[in-house]
Amino acid sequence: RKEVEQDPGPFNVPEGATVAFNCTYSNSASQSFFWYRQDCRKEPKLLMSVYSSGNEDGRFTAQLNRASQYISLLIRDSKLSDSATYLCVVNREDKLSFGAGTTVTVRA
Amino acid sequence: GAGVSQSPRYKVAKRGQDVALRCDPISGHVSLFWYQQALGQGPEFLTYFQNEAQLDKSGLPSDRFFAERPEGSVSTLKIQRTQQEDSAVYLCASSLVIRASSYEQYFGPGTRLTVT
Repeated sequence: RKEVEQDPGPFNVPEGATVAFNCTYSNSASQSFFWYRQDCRKEPKLLMSVYSSGNEDGRFTAQLNRASQYISLLIRDSKLSDSATYLCVVNREDKLSFGAGTTVTVRA
Repeated sequence: GAGVSQSPRYKVAKRGQDVALRCDPISGHVSLFWYQQALGQGPEFLTYFQNEAQLDKSGLPSDRFFAERPEGSVSTLKIQRTQQEDSAVYLCASSLVIRASSYEQYFGPGTRLTVT
């Protein structure tokens, strides 16, 4: 079983819509959590860290449920530029484990 | 400022050939990571350096893979006797602080290795 599991999608949504997806992680000793964004044939870039209390960064909201070991990302008012693969990332003992990514396509 | 750079960007190797992939981290970054990303998958951890010390190489898939960072800046990932299953994008990332996984890692553009 992979350490981080994600629904691969694709999530195909119209501009302005809200889209949400999550991931689960298997190791309860995981220490910190992130969402990275990866555009096609580009390198991953940090989108946001995820905190236990939940956090927002503009149109993006991340939630962490340690009891159920899942992490979510919600994107409000989707833009065409939000089209990308979103990687769920978990840190344990200074090692990052990445999910396979959830692909989001925003259409005009 | 300059980000993480990697070279070559693309490499085609015949099965059995040795290859060397180079990573230039952001100047002053203490920590350096190598990842392997297969098509349709997320990056998989290979190895981690703190300055010149290789602190974790648990992700290297076989003894054909070797990484070094002799002066604590540039790093090289070497793959000996390449196999078709080595075909992937090899990503390098660097981070400013020692507890790198608690802080942002900056990725290079990757080297796309194709073994024929």
